[in-house]
This record gives sequence, structure tokens and C-alpha cells, in this order.
Amino acid sequence: DSGVTQTPKHLITATGQRVTLRCSPRSGDLSVYWYQQSLDQGLQFLIQYYNGEERAKGNILERFSAQQFPDLHSELNLSSLELGDSALYFCASSPRQGVSGELFFGEGSRLTVL
Amino acid sequence: AQKITQTQPGMFVQEKEAVTLDCTYDTSDQSYGLFWYKQPSSGEMIFLIYQGSYDEQNATEGRYSLNFQKARKSANLVISASQLGDSAMYFCAMREGKGGSYIPTFGRGTSLIVHP
Repeated sequence: DSGVTQTPKHLITATGQRVTLRCSPRSGDLSVYWYQQSLDQGLQFLIQYYNGEERAKGNILERFSAQQFPDLHSELNLSSLELGDSALYFCASSPRQGVSGELFFGEGSRLTVL
Repeated sequence: AQKITQTQPGMFVQEKEAVTLDCTYDTSDQSYGLFWYKQPSSGEMIFLIYQGSYDEQNATEGRYSLNFQKARKSANLVISASQLGDSAMYFCAMREGKGGSYIPTFGRGTSLIVHP
């Protein structure tokens, strides 16, 4: 158990819909990272938050947004869903910001868009 | 250019044998960190081992060791005495400083199958 909690574990929805993925980082970790894992793109970085503030942005679509709340949990909102958004979405937290900080991953939220 | 390259899409190894999974990286930073993660079929990502760019010794964690060759920019994972439970996807990752804002970048992964 990594200590990072993600909900829901599985989600099936239709095109055009909106979903929210939730993440609670490990106790004490201030950084939260969101990644998307698909078969053709591998593990792609979406966005990072540190202590409530957006710290870095990766290949995140405009239809996607995220935030980190004062209690440090984070939510990833995906809207106007397309078939290609089907993927495994990971949240990870890290105890350190520098080059030595390993990521601890949640179990992921598997999104299927039909 | 790819930051992390894993050239082996799939590897097979006999139980109890050692196996090396290749990883090369590309960075112009002097300070960076290299990581290996394991992803079993259940899907979760498990941290295995870390190597810092300034570490002179190769990192080891139980049956895992990292063969770090800085000049060649390679960070291969060696798994000794393979077990059936080692069958999984393995990802190499790097955190770099000013060039990458410390965001971990992952390779495409290597699928390892351990035969009995």
C-alpha cells in the first residue's frame, strides 16, 4: 500500500460527459502529480500541484482541469469526454521536490469512454 | 528527443536467473535522479530503486540493483534470482532540475515474463 488513495477505481461513461477523479496523497506529502497512461502514449505527465498551487503543466488538454484543496487532496476534472480519453489515470505524491524524490502512486482510476 | 529510452519491449527470463533491463537517458543537467518502477498486471506502479547522478556507488535494494554508467548515460536495472512474481512491466524514469522542473519523465516500459 503506497498510502496514496484514488477514487473511483473504475469508471465507465459516454462521450461528451464529465467526470471527476479524486486523489488523497500520502500523509505529509505536499506534491501531487497526475499522469495519464494509455497504450499508445505511455505514461504522460498532466499536471503537478504543490501545497495547493499549480507547479507544472504537461500535456494536459484544455478540456481537463485540476485543483488541490487545502487538505491537500486533489481532483482531476475531465470534460467533453472523447473515446481517446479512455486510459488509466494515476495520481502520485512525493515527499521531496528535488531530483531524489520518488513518486508514490495510487492504484489508478481506469476510465472507459464509450 | 526522448528523455528516457527503453529499447526492449519484451524480455523473457528463466526463474532463478538474472535479467538486465536496459534504460538510457538524455539530459544536459548535472544533477538528476533515476528511478525504476514495476507495474504488475493489477496496474499499480511500485517504486523499486533510485540512483542519484552524483552517487558513486550503484544503488541496490534487495534483488534489484541499478547498473549506472554515467558516461554512457545508461541506468540498467538488474534483477537477480528472478521469481514468477517479477513478471510485470518495468519503467525507467528520470527527474532533472532546471531542464525538466523536477517532473519525472518515464520511458515506454519493458514487459518482463519469468518462466518457471
